[in-house]
Amino acid sequence: GAVVSQHPSWVICKSGTSVKIECRSLDFQATTMFWYRQFPKQSLMLMATSNEGSKATYEQGVEKDKFLINHASLTLSTLTVTSAHPEDSSFYICSARDHGVGVDYEQYFGPGTRLTVT
Amino acid sequence: AQSVTQLDSHVSVSEGTPVLLRCNYSSSYSPSLFWYVQHPNKGLQLLLKYTSAATLVKGINGFEAEFKKSETSFHLTKPSAHMSDAAEYFCVVSGGATGNQFYFGTGTSLTVIP
Repeated sequence: GAVVSQHPSWVICKSGTSVKIECRSLDFQATTMFWYRQFPKQSLMLMATSNEGSKATYEQGVEKDKFLINHASLTLSTLTVTSAHPEDSSFYICSARDHGVGVDYEQYFGPGTRLTVT
Repeated sequence: AQSVTQLDSHVSVSEGTPVLLRCNYSSSYSPSLFWYVQHPNKGLQLLLKYTSAATLVKGINGFEAEFKKSETSFHLTKPSAHMSDAAEYFCVVSGGATGNQFYFGTGTSLTVIP
């Protein structure tokens, strides 16, 4: 089946520093990837849609200058949290849509990255 | 606009008894609907999906869901709960202009009592 990986799985950083999270589709090409944020015991909130070779589309209320998304290849999207603050601590989850499978809106999710900002 | 409402934030059942997790949806288009499960500290796993084919959808681990357009519902059921079913369950509707975006419900936490 389609597998999506994320790296790192857990990261701790100091306030004011930047952190990059990678999302890779391992066995399929993904022209579209998504980034979600999940607070403890809450649902997933879509942050942005990442399109290969073009700018990401951010959801309302998400700061594009703070959460930089780059989708440089068909198998890799990165999320960089710039000048991180403790309120950015959260579980970040990416997903990818397999465009090689006809009209199928299924998304394959990565295992998530837990970010803790101290 | 698309949205889902999971009617129960928490469900508790005894092992071996039926499971019912309720989900109602709202969609401007013909929706695709999904149920995902999330075990503690694990990623989301697809249980089943409805994409305008058969209204009764069978998924993994004995789960199934029925799409009822008249009731705008997509409830998840399982005849007999197992301890390993204890997890967080999310109902999801896809939508947006291209059908790309997923809209998550708030989740239902399932507890299975031995």
